[in-house]
Amino acid sequence: GAGVSQSPSNKVTEKGKDVELRCDPISGHTALYWYRQSLGQGLEFLIYFQGNSAPDKSGLPSDRFSAERTGGSVSTLTIQRTQQEDSAVYLCASSLSVTGGNTIYFGEGSWLTVV
Amino acid sequence: KQEVTQIPAALSVPEGENLVLNCSFTDSAIYNLQWFRQDPGKGLTSLLLIQSSQREQTSGRLNASLDKSSGRSTLYIAASQPGDSATYLCAVGSATNKLIFGTGTLLAVQP
Repeated sequence: GAGVSQSPSNKVTEKGKDVELRCDPISGHTALYWYRQSLGQGLEFLIYFQGNSAPDKSGLPSDRFSAERTGGSVSTLTIQRTQQEDSAVYLCASSLSVTGGNTIYFGEGSWLTVV
Repeated sequence: KQEVTQIPAALSVPEGENLVLNCSFTDSAIYNLQWFRQDPGKGLTSLLLIQSSQREQTSGRLNASLDKSSGRSTLYIAASQPGDSATYLCAVGSATNKLIFGTGTLLAVQP
């Protein structure tokens, strides 16, 4: 597609349920990033993937969070046993490569509400 | 640990005014600095990317400067328009494009 596509755009889930958020990066982009934007807070780095290299998971807040990227393209962010503090906008981004200097393109986000 | 601060948190100006948004960072060992725009309910749009070796970048009515030694960047918007109303975010980048974001400046341009 023309841009980074994320789904669902909105998700309301009950506390304790698992959720999956999907990101489809721009075709040809080898680098893919997940960020979280909570109300009243800035964007928080979660994880990035670069080609076939091991992902940088240093930003994942707990072991309830995981992400995978299949075939070097689509990525799924999974949150297990959701908590109310997980409510946030989850933003995916991609760039040509992870090397600094490449413009990063963001999707419109998945708005997650845990009730 | 890198910390990025943006001042002011909110700004309201009349249409046509020139304005400056400020961004400061604590660790000068950055790879680049980017300015983004975020409209309500939308993702981020990259406005300008300044490499660490550069002093400024310009795009249309926007000009971004970078002073690594003092840990500061400014985004200058000339002749502001109501369509410029949005949240402006700066982010410092490492060599792996992992960005550390400021909390943003909410800009309102009054017609």
